[in-house]
Amino acid sequence: VQLVESGGGLIQPGGSLRLSCAATGFTVSSNFMSWVRQAPEKGLEWVSVIYSGGATYYADSVKGRFTISRDNSKNTLYLQMNSLRAEDTAVYYCARAEGSGSYALDYWGQGTLVTVSS
Amino acid sequence: EIVLTQSPDFQSVTPKEKVTITCRASQSIGSSLHWYQQKPYQSPKLLIKYASQSISGVPSRFSGSGSGTDFTLTINSLEAEDAAVYYCHQSSSLLAFGGGTKVEIK
Repeated sequence: VQLVESGGGLIQPGGSLRLSCAATGFTVSSNFMSWVRQAPEKGLEWVSVIYSGGATYYADSVKGRFTISRDNSKNTLYLQMNSLRAEDTAVYYCARAEGSGSYALDYWGQGTLVTVSS
Repeated sequence: EIVLTQSPDFQSVTPKEKVTITCRASQSIGSSLHWYQQKPYQSPKLLIKYASQSISGVPSRFSGSGSGTDFTLTINSLEAEDAAVYYCHQSSSLLAFGGGTKVEIK
């Protein structure tokens, strides 16, 4: 099992970015998947989740600006981020829930850094 | 929204000492509480799931207990490699993480 994030970078406030999380060793659409971020020198904060059935949820801090999705043919999870703000600056991790009724996050990607600054 | 409060925020510990970290939930979450270890420049690593279930490959000195609103992560006989930040995470209602506990080796 491996998760590899990409798509981070430096972006101006108000801009957009799409993060990708390419998965190998399991099927993204069969698992609960999440995006978790970590601002510099701060703790973990959940951003968005997608259940195997397709239901999606967002933290209040990103609701209406971020969209989680997946491409089954590419076995990849995405996070579309619009109207970015300085406070969105963070390392973004994708993480997989263990499955079989367990929602413990057993695999994490290496993270991709998003910096929102002018 | 479920809020997780960890304590202490920081702990400086001598090798071979026992470490206890607590996580309190703002409402009952049953046993849907997991613990992670994050070392500098690394992704979080799952240590304990569902309050007390061990994870393959994690040293046996790590253990968890609790249910409802009060949970504990215990590190018996701390080793130098255990220097890290430890987070709790609830999966009873979406997700939430505790603020983290930094463990430093004296």
